[in-house]
Amino acid sequence: EIVMTQSPATLSVSPGERATLSCRASQSFNTNLAWYQQKPGQAPRLLIYGASTRATGIPARFSGSGSGTEFTLTISSLQSEDFAVYYCQHYNNWPFTFGPGTKVDIK
Amino acid sequence: VHLLESGGGLVQPGGSLRLSCAASGFTFSNYAMSWVRQAPGKGLEWVSSISGSASISGSGVNAYYADSVKGRFTISRDNSKNTLYLQMNSLRAEDTALYYCAKDVSSHIIAVAEYWGQGTLVTVSS
Repeated sequence: EIVMTQSPATLSVSPGERATLSCRASQSFNTNLAWYQQKPGQAPRLLIYGASTRATGIPARFSGSGSGTEFTLTISSLQSEDFAVYYCQHYNNWPFTFGPGTKVDIK
Repeated sequence: VHLLESGGGLVQPGGSLRLSCAASGFTFSNYAMSWVRQAPGKGLEWVSSISGSASISGSGVNAYYADSVKGRFTISRDNSKNTLYLQMNSLRAEDTALYYCAKDVSSHIIAVAEYWGQGTLVTVSS
C-alpha cells in the first residue's frame, strides 16, 4: 500500500500570500495524484488531477506539480474562500489512499 | 451532476445497512462510481469502487474494496435506476463515518473523484 504524507499539518497564511503544500508518497509513481479541498461541513472538491491538471472551474491561482514521490500544491494568492483542509490522494493502484491533510488557516 | 446519498443511520454492532446514491445530470452507466468515508473529525478513506458499463470485460464489472471492509461490504449499481449502492454487513464501531458517493472521470476505475454527494452518516453503536 502506498502511504501518503502531507506537510505541514497546519499552514497559517495571510490573505494575498502564497501557500505551498507538500505531499509525499512512500513509493514512486508517475503523476497519478489528485488534490482535494474540503471546507467545514462540506464534501471534498476536486482541485487537481494528474498532479498538475486543474479540474473544471478551478481558478488559475491553484497549481500542482511533481512526480515520483514528491508533489506540491501551490495557491498563488490566498483568497478568503481558500481557507480549508487540503488532501492529496494517489490513484496509481489499489488501494487508493489519501494523505492526512493540511489545514490552511488565517494568520 | 447531482449525487444524493441516503440510508445512513444508527445501527448496533454486527448489524447491517444499505446505502444508496441517486445520481442525475450525467449518463450514470458510463462512469465508475465510488464510496469514500470520513470518520468524525478525521481524514478521508477510499472504501470501494465499481466500474461503469463501458469498461465491462468478459468477467463483468470490476470492483475494489478496502481491506478494512473486504468481505463485509458489497458495492453494486442499478444503471436502470441511476443508483449506486453499498451493502454493509457485520458493522463495527470503526465503520462510524460520513459516507460519500463520488463519480469518477471515466468508465474505468481511475479513482479521481470528480463530483461528490453531501454524504450520509452511519453510526455504529450499542
